[in-house]
Amino acid sequence: AQSVTQLDSQVPVFEEAPVELRCNYSSSVSVYLFWYVQYPNQGLQLLLKYLSGSTLVKGINGFEAEFNKSQTSFHLRKPSVHISDTAEYFCAVSDHGGRGSTLGRLYFGRGTQLTVWP
Amino acid sequence: GAVVSQHPSWVICKSGTSVKIECRSLDFQATTMFWYRQFPKQSLMLMATSNEGSKATYEQGVEKDKFLINHASLTLSTLTVTSAHPEDSSFYICSARKQGAPSGEQYFGPGTRLTVT
Repeated sequence: AQSVTQLDSQVPVFEEAPVELRCNYSSSVSVYLFWYVQYPNQGLQLLLKYLSGSTLVKGINGFEAEFNKSQTSFHLRKPSVHISDTAEYFCAVSDHGGRGSTLGRLYFGRGTQLTVWP
Repeated sequence: GAVVSQHPSWVICKSGTSVKIECRSLDFQATTMFWYRQFPKQSLMLMATSNEGSKATYEQGVEKDKFLINHASLTLSTLTVTSAHPEDSSFYICSARKQGAPSGEQYFGPGTRLTVT
């Protein structure tokens, strides 16, 4: 099975500062990696995903993430945050959906609350 | 595209009654739908996975007789909380996987806030 660790439960930053939200995973098989964002009282929205290819992935709202296979990490970054980025961010992994797979199940980290202050 | 809706967005019911929550994929066909439960300030807990036309697969510890899931079509899945009790109060979120989409790529509904009094 897969597991995801988000090392920081809360990350406070000031507006226009850079931010990095950390995510590490463990898995015995190859995985796909995702970052989702959840605004208060809403469902989750896909920010970005790594399936294959370039290890640097760009997503919506100016976010990007880098897949590091040797460190089993997929950290999320943004060079300059806005107050509107305040939300809960979830890192998630899934296996590739082949034989014996968990049929597309996502394994979530516990989430990181990003709070952007003016 | 890839919009998922849930209805209702919030519901209050009395203890002992049943509540049905609908999850619809509005602009795509969903081979698989997932139901999650989320407690305040916590991550999502997968309750069950449902495939159109077949029985749902429940996660360990989830009572299938209490949380009835029906996936009657490629665009609709329902979760019925039977004989609800206050401990069932929670935020329920569904998600859907498009046909042919990569494993793990899910589109989430806006959630349903259930309060049992």
